Amino acid sequence: SAVISQKPSRDICQRGTSLTIQCQVDSQVTMMFWYRQQPGQSLTLIATANQGSEATYESGFVIDKFPISRPNLTFSTLTVSNMSPEDSSIYPCSVTQGRDPNYGYTFGSGTRLTVV
Amino acid sequence: AQTVTQSQPEMSVQEAETVTLSCTYDTSESDYYLFWYKQPPSRQMILVIRQEAYKQQNATENRFSVNFQKAAKSFSLKISDSQLGDAAMYFCAYRSKGAQKLVFGQGTRLTINP
Repeated sequence: SAVISQKPSRDICQRGTSLTIQCQVDSQVTMMFWYRQQPGQSLTLIATANQGSEATYESGFVIDKFPISRPNLTFSTLTVSNMSPEDSSIYPCSVTQGRDPNYGYTFGSGTRLTVV
Repeated sequence: AQTVTQSQPEMSVQEAETVTLSCTYDTSESDYYLFWYKQPPSRQMILVIRQEAYKQQNATENRFSVNFQKAAKSFSLKISDSQLGDAAMYFCAYRSKGAQKLVFGQGTRLTINP
């Protein structure tokens, strides 16, 4: 299965600023997924990033707040904009495990973001 | 919309014993996929086991097995011969056949007592 590297692994940011999170995969993948895991909570999908097209956002998430780039088949970034303490979460990215998405998904370790 | 419910926020088991984690889901679809993921303190989600809804046979992966009851919309995970390394958060997840999105339950924190 794919190996995912995320940077930074953690960060502490001031409210009102923005942070860009990187997700690098060791193989080419069609879709990359960005999730949010709020403290003590489960994972919620933010958006799906396809190479060469606009990201598809889930209900409750907007591009102005979480702009995503997908410049190639192995890399994506998620920006958390104009941060507030409510954005303090872990942000893992994910890709399909193997060629068949039915086999599940591989996750990165996530970026732990704390907004103060 | 599909929902996944894990009614046990925390579970504990003695090392070498067997424990079952519960998961129920709500869907109107007939074809879908179900997963159990493990999240250790390292935070990375690890796929434990998967089940295809159209298969009646319960999935098994070494010490991990599921009890899939489609009519009851239940998908429990049984861990046999529990080991200290099994301690983690366990998440049940649902995926529609035609979709890419995973819908996760709230998670169950499993503690293994030596």
